[in-house]
Amino acid sequence: EVQLLESGGDLVQPGGSLRLSCAASGFTLSSYAMNWVRQAPGKGLEWVSGISGSGGSTYYADSVTGRFTISRDNSKNTLYLQMNSLRAEDTAVYYCAKSSSYYPRGIDYWGQGTLVTVSS
Amino acid sequence: FMLTQPHSVSESPGKTVTISCTRSSGSIASNYVQWYQQRPGSSPTTLIFEDTQRPSGVPDRFSGSIDSSSNSASLTISGLRPEDEADYYCQSYDSRNHVAFGGGTKLTVL
Repeated sequence: EVQLLESGGDLVQPGGSLRLSCAASGFTLSSYAMNWVRQAPGKGLEWVSGISGSGGSTYYADSVTGRFTISRDNSKNTLYLQMNSLRAEDTAVYYCAKSSSYYPRGIDYWGQGTLVTVSS
Repeated sequence: FMLTQPHSVSESPGKTVTISCTRSSGSIASNYVQWYQQRPGSSPTTLIFEDTQRPSGVPDRFSGSIDSSSNSASLTISGLRPEDEADYYCQSYDSRNHVAFGGGTKLTVL
C-alpha cells in the first residue's frame, strides 16, 4: 500500500525558512517522480515543484523559483522541500504527491498534507 | 499554459453531469489529462489518469474524454450520488514537465 506522510509544517515569520519532509512507503521511490502541491485556505490546488525519479531533474512553479528547493533521498525513501524567503502568500496546506511516471506529469497518490502558516 | 474549468455545476441525484477543462495553449491531445476529486476536509484522490483511464477502485460512473476540436477535456459522472458532491480538478503538463491544475469545479448534488 502506497503511503505518503508529510511533516515539518509550522508557523513561521515572513522572510523565514522551513523544510518539509515526506516519508514514502509501499513503492520503489526511485522509479517515480514526486511533487509538492499546495492549497491556500479556501483556494484551489497549485503545483509547486516536481523532481524526477533519480533526482537529476527538478522543476518549479514561477511563484517559488529561486526560493524553494526540492530534493529527495531515495535511500531514505524521503522527499524534501526547502522553503526560504517565505511570504504570507505561501500560507497553505502542502501535499506530497507521487507521480505515475518517471517525470512529474500526472499524480496517482497524495499525502494527507502539512500546514504552513507564514505570519508575524 | 492554463486550464479553465467552470466554477460550479449542479445536478440532481441519478442524473449525469459533465465538467469541462479547456487548455489555453498547446494541444490538449499532446499531454495527458488527469482528474482529481477532493471532498471537504480531505486530500485529493485520483479519478482519471492518462485522459481516460480509471485507477482500480474508481467506479465506472466516472469517465474522461478529450476533444481536440475544442482543445478541452471532460469529466463525466453518471448516476449522480450525494457523495459525489465535491471539488473536481483537471491537471496536465507541458513540454518542460511543468504541471498545471485547473481552478477547480464545485459539484453540488441537489
